[in-house]
Amino acid sequence: NAGVTQTPKFQVLKTGQSMTLQCAQDMNHNSMYWYRQDPGMGLRLIYYSASEGTTDKGEVPNGYNVSRLNKREFSLRLESAAPSQTSVYFCASSEEEGNQPQHFGDGTRLSIL
Amino acid sequence: GQSLEQPSEVTAVEGAIVQINCTYQTSGFYGLSWYQQHDGGAPTFLSYNALDGLEETGRFSSFLSRSDSYGYLLLQELQMKDSASYFCAVEKEGFQKLVFGTGTRLLVSP
Repeated sequence: NAGVTQTPKFQVLKTGQSMTLQCAQDMNHNSMYWYRQDPGMGLRLIYYSASEGTTDKGEVPNGYNVSRLNKREFSLRLESAAPSQTSVYFCASSEEEGNQPQHFGDGTRLSIL
Repeated sequence: GQSLEQPSEVTAVEGAIVQINCTYQTSGFYGLSWYQQHDGGAPTFLSYNALDGLEETGRFSSFLSRSDSYGYLLLQELQMKDSASYFCAVEKEGFQKLVFGTGTRLLVSP
């Protein structure tokens, strides 16, 4: 009963390197989301995908790109990492856009030096 | 824009009752959710209110007053394992996305 699986769990990058964070869900959910969480902050939406084949910007999309590869998988790419992108990244899914609950993965802890 | 306010930290003892408040300012309000997050863990869904009133789920209850732009999470019979951060989140009509508050850290002591 995996739910939402994120890889990797930890990563250290140098400024300017690129990286793709992977997310997969096995609940047959239509909607998927990428959030970032900084210390003492709530989660902020980076991008979301209401359904397979669609993606839209969230609150903080600059510096990121996403791909909804199929219904199960939603990846987040940092093309040229910056120290300001050091954060914990969470992927989530829900049956439909906006439906509750959203199910979260365990997160990817990303440090950019 | 939108904003949510919740206390940064609340402390309580085992067995007690604690209430975590959340006030919000947003246009096109649709519903209020609560999520729990233990240190180093993933957020997990607790409750959702779209209508005024109280929703009860075991030891946890959530309340919403749309006219007051206010909600709260009530935790009863506190246990040590309830020590975590609690986030309220607004769901906006039309956008169908969540906007999270900055969270309330609950510390439960013996």
